[in-house]
Amino acid sequence: AQSVTQLDSHVSVSEGTPVLLRCNYSSSYSPSLFWYVQHPNKGLQLLLKYTSAATLVKGINGFEAEFKKSETSFHLTKPSAHMSDAAEYFCVVWAGFQKLVFGTGTRLLVSP
Amino acid sequence: DSGVTQTPKHLITATGQRVTLRCSPRSGDLSVYWYQQSLDQGLQFLIQYYNGEERAKGNILERFSAQQFPDLHSELNLSSLELGDSALYFCASSQSPGTGNQGTEAFFGQGTRLTVV
Repeated sequence: AQSVTQLDSHVSVSEGTPVLLRCNYSSSYSPSLFWYVQHPNKGLQLLLKYTSAATLVKGINGFEAEFKKSETSFHLTKPSAHMSDAAEYFCVVWAGFQKLVFGTGTRLLVSP
Repeated sequence: DSGVTQTPKHLITATGQRVTLRCSPRSGDLSVYWYQQSLDQGLQFLIQYYNGEERAKGNILERFSAQQFPDLHSELNLSSLELGDSALYFCASSQSPGTGNQGTEAFFGQGTRLTVV
C-alpha cells in the first residue's frame, strides 16, 4: 500500500533562513506525490506535484521539492522563510483507487 | 480561492441528529472527494464520486452517506451523530478520477467544521 511518513511534527525556523520539511514515501510503483499547505482556519492548498516528469519540482511561493527514488524521499524546501509561510504542511501520495493518502503533517513555525 | 465551495462553514448540532454538508466542485471538474480531518485521525479519505457514480470508498462509517447530483454538486449526509464525529470535513474536486498509478491533484474547499454537542 502507498503511504507517506513526515519525519517531523514541528519545524521551527527564523525568518530569512532555509526551510526543510522531510517526507519519505512507500510505494510499490513510481508514485505521484504532492505537497499541500493548510493555513489556520483555511482549506488545503496545493503547493506542488510530482508525476514522474522532472525530479525537481517547483511550486508556488518559492517552494520546491526533489524526488529521490534511491532514498524514497520527497522533501520540501524553500531558500528563505517568510512569516506568511507559517502553516501546516502535508506530504501526500496518490494511492490508486482514486484517493490521496495524507501524511500526519508538519507544523512550520517562523519566528521574526 | 480554489473554486470549490462548501456550505455551511460551521455547524453545531446535538448527538443523534442528522446533518447534510454541501459541496460545489470547480467548474469543469467531474470528480468529488470527501475527507474528514480530526485531531486523532488526521486527514482521512471518506468517499469519491465521478460524474454521479461512486468510484471509491475509504473509512466511511455506515451512518454516513454521500451522493453526487446531475449538476455535479455533492452532499455528505451524517446521521445518528456522535461526539466523535466532530471534525473538519473537506470536499475536493478534480477533473479526472485519476487512472491506475497516475495520480491527479485535487483542489480543496475551505471545509465545514462540525461540532457535535
